[in-house]
Amino acid sequence: AQSVSQHNHHVILSEAASLELGCNYSYGGTVNLFWYVQYPGQHLQLLLKYFSGDPLVKGIKGFEAEFIKSKFSFNLRKPSVQWSDTAEYFCAVRGTYKYIFGTGTRLKVLA
Amino acid sequence: DVKVTQSSRYLVKRTGEKVFLECVQDMDHENMFWYRQDPGLGLRLIYFSYDVKMKEKGDIPEGYSVSREKKERFSLILESASTNQTSMYLCASSPRQGRYEQYFGPGTRLTVT
Repeated sequence: AQSVSQHNHHVILSEAASLELGCNYSYGGTVNLFWYVQYPGQHLQLLLKYFSGDPLVKGIKGFEAEFIKSKFSFNLRKPSVQWSDTAEYFCAVRGTYKYIFGTGTRLKVLA
Repeated sequence: DVKVTQSSRYLVKRTGEKVFLECVQDMDHENMFWYRQDPGLGLRLIYFSYDVKMKEKGDIPEGYSVSREKKERFSLILESASTNQTSMYLCASSPRQGRYEQYFGPGTRLTVT
């Protein structure tokens, strides 16, 4: 069965700390992978996506993610977080028509 | 800029009422989706549609139905609302071809009392 696991449910960091959020997926076909972010009171928006090619993808606001096929992982990283990165982050994989989302990681960045 | 709009941001209904949640997208996308978002459970797919008058059950379709009479509009119907349907409901759309990212609406927070 297709599934997405996000290992960290809540993460608290101080400003300028480095961030890595884990995402593992289970899917047998060609994968399209996404990270979405939901800032407080706002709608979900795309951070970055992977379809093919370079496994290191860069997104908005300094975020990047690395697709490691052998590990079925697509971890999100940011070298130095800001208070404004406080949000909930969702990893997702696209199947034939459906998208499967992880349960989300709530990140709180302390000023 | 893609825009997905939902008819209400907040809705309060009584148990047993019929509830309609409307979603409209303005980018001529073939695919449309309804999710519910609950703390700790992420987004769970209720129904999706890949064409007008076409619909497919998602992972949690029980207690819900959908309607897609026009390409730009996808409606979620709660035939008889129950308290366990209190949730945030998100609509999304995506093109069928090309880059398959989804575009989300602002959500409707439904409370069933």
